[in-house]
Amino acid sequence: DQQVKQNSPSLSVQEGRISILNCDYTNSMFDYFLWYKKYPAEGPTFLISISSIKDKNEDGRFTVFLNKSAKHLSLHIVPSQPGDSAVYFCAASSSRNNNDMRFGAGTRLTVKP
Amino acid sequence: NAGVTQTPKFRVLKTGQSMTLLCAQDMNHEYMYWYRQDPGMGLRLIHYSVGEGTTAKGEVPDGYNVSRLKKQNFLLGLESAAPSQTSVYFCASTPATGYTEAFFGQGTRLTVV
Repeated sequence: DQQVKQNSPSLSVQEGRISILNCDYTNSMFDYFLWYKKYPAEGPTFLISISSIKDKNEDGRFTVFLNKSAKHLSLHIVPSQPGDSAVYFCAASSSRNNNDMRFGAGTRLTVKP
Repeated sequence: NAGVTQTPKFRVLKTGQSMTLLCAQDMNHEYMYWYRQDPGMGLRLIHYSVGEGTTAKGEVPDGYNVSRLKKQNFLLGLESAAPSQTSVYFCASTPATGYTEAFFGQGTRLTVV
């Protein structure tokens, strides 16, 4: 069963606009969440993370929001740039077994110039 | 900075053949992981290691074996390859337990025919 779900396989936005990528999880034991970015023929690279004790974490153009009651998190990219075009994976882990990180299926973001 | 290096990058196997995927990291990380990525499934954890000489099963361990004889290397073995093992394999490492970003290798694309 997929405990982390990214229901949008793809997203297309115009350069300069906001990109919002969504992620839902089912396991209430998850208490740490990460976003990874992946370019073709490369491994994923870490982008931003958030602990369950927070509801927002910001790093430059990237902000992650966590809604624990809805078991939902989102990644906002503002403003979007063509170089942001990549696949974005949401990941989650639990302090009970924080080596077992669960990933979503990914969302392919395309930022059009 | 090499980071995490996977060997080989591509491989085609016949059903029943065996092979070993090598992962090497030069960051002195304690924890290492093997994932597989399949379309629509995201990354799934196969096996992981919390230190030299230790290994543990992840979400999808069947058909794979691993060894961590040296801290910097983590080997993934397929004793008798099956078409269901056609996938892209990623190795990752973290300096400590899962509450830190993981560093990924560039991936190995394996096709079993």
